[in-house]
Amino acid sequence: GQQLNQSPQSMFIQEGEDVSMNCTSSSIFNTWLWYKQDPGEGPVLLIALYKAGELTSNGRLTAQFGITRKDSFLNISASIPSDVGIYFCAGQLNSGGGADGLTFGKGTHLIIQP
Amino acid sequence: DGGITQSPKYLFRKEGQNVTLSCEQNLNHDAMYWYRQDPGQGLRLIYYSQIVNDFQKGDIAEGYSVSREKKESFPLTVTSAQKNPTAFYLCASSKAGRRQPVWGIQYFGAGTRLSVL
Repeated sequence: GQQLNQSPQSMFIQEGEDVSMNCTSSSIFNTWLWYKQDPGEGPVLLIALYKAGELTSNGRLTAQFGITRKDSFLNISASIPSDVGIYFCAGQLNSGGGADGLTFGKGTHLIIQP
Repeated sequence: DGGITQSPKYLFRKEGQNVTLSCEQNLNHDAMYWYRQDPGQGLRLIYYSQIVNDFQKGDIAEGYSVSREKKESFPLTVTSAQKNPTAFYLCASSKAGRRQPVWGIQYFGAGTRLSVL
């Protein structure tokens, strides 16, 4: 099946620093999504990307859909303590007619040091 | 408020026992999904349903069963055939249709943590 490689696995940063994480795929996707998961909770959607080359911002978050349709990155600027959590990328092929499940990366665990 | 409700939050299973996890949504979404999450892993798709009375196997369907008798409900049964059921189970839903951009957005419940006694 499709596989997503998400990196880094974990990040230890200082409050106020910028964060960058990315996902690469062995296959193309038509949709890229970025989610954040807090411990013991379900993932919450941060940003959705639908077109190759698309760059979308949501507050301090910026994500891009790679031109090759096989990669995406997420940047967080000026990190704050509530940014702590696990960030997942997810890709979807949307191959005509079906509501297919998402393929998820393994997540980037963001830890902010005081 | 609209959303997805999973229950129970915690569930314990004895050897040889079937257990059922509940998922209800009031978002009027056509599609619903079940995922399994293990520590340090991403989410893996168990089953999904695009419409009432229809569902499809995902990547790891063995040992699980589902039903979709109502649009709002998509219960997951973890059967005794699932030898390693301990995990965090997440239910999601999305609109289904041919018009982007709504296809891709899946909304998740808060999860059920299943453990084996």
